[in-house]
Amino acid sequence: DAGVTQSPTHLIKTRGQQVTLRCSPKSGHDTVSWYQQALGQGPQFIFQYYEEEERQRGNFPDRFSGHQFPNYSSELNVNALLLGDSALYLCASSLVGANTGELFFGEGSRLTVL
Amino acid sequence: QKEVEQDPGPLSVPEGAIVSLNCTYSNSAFQYFMWYRQYSRKGPELLMYTYSSGNKEDGRFTAQVDKSSKYISLFIRDSQPSDSATYLCAMKDNFNKFYFGSGTKLNVKP
Repeated sequence: DAGVTQSPTHLIKTRGQQVTLRCSPKSGHDTVSWYQQALGQGPQFIFQYYEEEERQRGNFPDRFSGHQFPNYSSELNVNALLLGDSALYLCASSLVGANTGELFFGEGSRLTVL
Repeated sequence: QKEVEQDPGPLSVPEGAIVSLNCTYSNSAFQYFMWYRQYSRKGPELLMYTYSSGNKEDGRFTAQVDKSSKYISLFIRDSQPSDSATYLCAMKDNFNKFYFGSGTKLNVKP
């Protein structure tokens, strides 16, 4: 049973560029959430997708956008990259209505902005 | 004020010690409380999950929630070097939104 998979694992971009990160949820899960984790910090919620729609959003600017596909996989897009966008981007999947509320995390995509 | 505050550590203990990790929170609407463990260069994994106040034990791990004080704790008994990781507390509101602490880095020395 494949867990949450993310790609790429590492990438380097320069300021002003755009980046797309990809996530495949755990088998059977229908909800994907994205988090930004800066070095030495906890994950910060970016947004959550369910049924191909953004359902909730954290305190992130519109430069951060996403998409969910019919197979539940998801993309995170960040435009006009800033140095401060350097972080580990984590994708987490879950099953809507599950009592435990457990989030299954991927290993993340580490983005460095130069 | 942050929604969730966590003692930053780092914490270094000898093998076999009892470890206490703590978080406080400000939102009285939080009903679901979790502890995640994150090894270096990995994603967080769920350790313990508690609904509302009370204690929950799972092997060497005990989670406590005191909603009146808005305080949660994770105790690790007989700590092992393999427990060395960053521990994140997390809370979920009624809208299924998660809030994480900043993490406490634990090092258990053999």
